[in-house]
Amino acid sequence: KNEVEQSPQNLTAQEGEFITINCSYSVGISALHWLQQHPGGGIVSLFMLSSGKKKHGRLIATINIQEKHSSLHITASHPRDSAVYICAAILRGSNYKLTFGKGTLLTVNP
Amino acid sequence: DTGVSQDPRHKITKRGQNVTFRCDPISEHNRLYWYRQTLGQGPEFLTYFQNEAQLEKSRLLSDRFSAERPKGSFSTLEIQRTEQGDSAMYLCASSLAWTSGTSTDTQYFGPGTRLTVL
Repeated sequence: KNEVEQSPQNLTAQEGEFITINCSYSVGISALHWLQQHPGGGIVSLFMLSSGKKKHGRLIATINIQEKHSSLHITASHPRDSAVYICAAILRGSNYKLTFGKGTLLTVNP
Repeated sequence: DTGVSQDPRHKITKRGQNVTFRCDPISEHNRLYWYRQTLGQGPEFLTYFQNEAQLEKSRLLSDRFSAERPKGSFSTLEIQRTEQGDSAMYLCASSLAWTSGTSTDTQYFGPGTRLTVL
């Protein structure tokens, strides 16, 4: 069992919908990243958080350390948000190595 | 462009050949990471450098794989005697750690090198 699990694996939405992608982890972590990967491979770091909530434009990331759970929300989704969203954690005891979830493929239709 | 760059972007090779990939990190970044991503999966950690020192290698990195960062700047990843199972996207990332042991430095990823072994 992967130490970092994401759900759903695939998500299709209509433009304008509110999107939620979930990430859960089974061990203690130091920090958690949300990453975006477009077709072709390039990965962009969206957020890094170790507690609470962060917001950037239409993107919001939250983390609950006690429940070992994080969510990525996209408000007013747009077709250009279509991408793979990956959750990656720095497990406690490893001060640099990212352990990745399998990713969530988001498709936003116009 | 001052981001992380990787070369080549695509490589097609025949089984048994050797290949070498290059990663140029963001110039002041002291940490450099290599990851491998197969189709439909999240990336997996391969190895990590702090300056020129290779501090950790994953068990995924068999003895056919070698990575170097000779001057603490660019890095190369070489795969000898390639196998079809080596086909994947090879991602490089870099970060700047202000103090040793910090876990909160953001990693910046390159575009990746897609390897296809025929």
